[in-house]
Amino acid sequence: DTGVSQDPRHKITKRGQNVTFRCDPISEHNRLYWYRQTLGQGPEFLTYFQNEAQLEKSRLLSDRFSAERPKGSFSTLEIQRTEQGDSAMYLCASSPSTGPDWEQYFGPGTRLTVT
Amino acid sequence: GQQLNQSPQSMFIQEGEDVSMNCTSSSIFNTWLWYKQEPGEGPVLLIALYKAGELTSNGRLTAQFGITRKDSFLNISASIPSDVGIYFCAGQLGSGNDMRFGAGTRLTVKP
Repeated sequence: DTGVSQDPRHKITKRGQNVTFRCDPISEHNRLYWYRQTLGQGPEFLTYFQNEAQLEKSRLLSDRFSAERPKGSFSTLEIQRTEQGDSAMYLCASSPSTGPDWEQYFGPGTRLTVT
Repeated sequence: GQQLNQSPQSMFIQEGEDVSMNCTSSSIFNTWLWYKQEPGEGPVLLIALYKAGELTSNGRLTAQFGITRKDSFLNISASIPSDVGIYFCAGQLGSGNDMRFGAGTRLTVKP
């Protein structure tokens, strides 16, 4: 399967712990996006990478959140000192360098539960 | 902020029926997109619209971009059980990282 993959698929953590999620985009897609989706809502944009450069961050991305894409391939999203309000599905999407940037392919998401 | 209002929130229909759902906004969007999301999966792009008034079909799906660029509808004809899922509209304001999603329409199809 050559789609976007995310790991882990599910994560349960206690409040105050740090968590890290990984996203592997479709090969050779240079654009990568992170979204957060809470229950009953659509995805909300968090941050965007073009290759290894993080070009935009949403105001939703508090200072407890950090994302990296060190070699322009896979990306990680870390949440420090998790809070119950961080419970959500974290979606990653990638987009090819050629073609429109709205053509985003989503991964299956990582569902985070903070207890 | 630029909010997309999607309706209805949920629909329960019989297999074979046609379905219509819509999305409105107070903002003008460059591109309008419709996605489907199934349980435990990420959204999958169904249709993209980028010309005002454009009517586009993808199999049994038909979507139109409103002439004012502030609304769109999605129709599904002759629904089948595998149409079950949540349908999201999304509007792109500028570039791909400026995409706003509606809250979704949950579709249930009874066989």
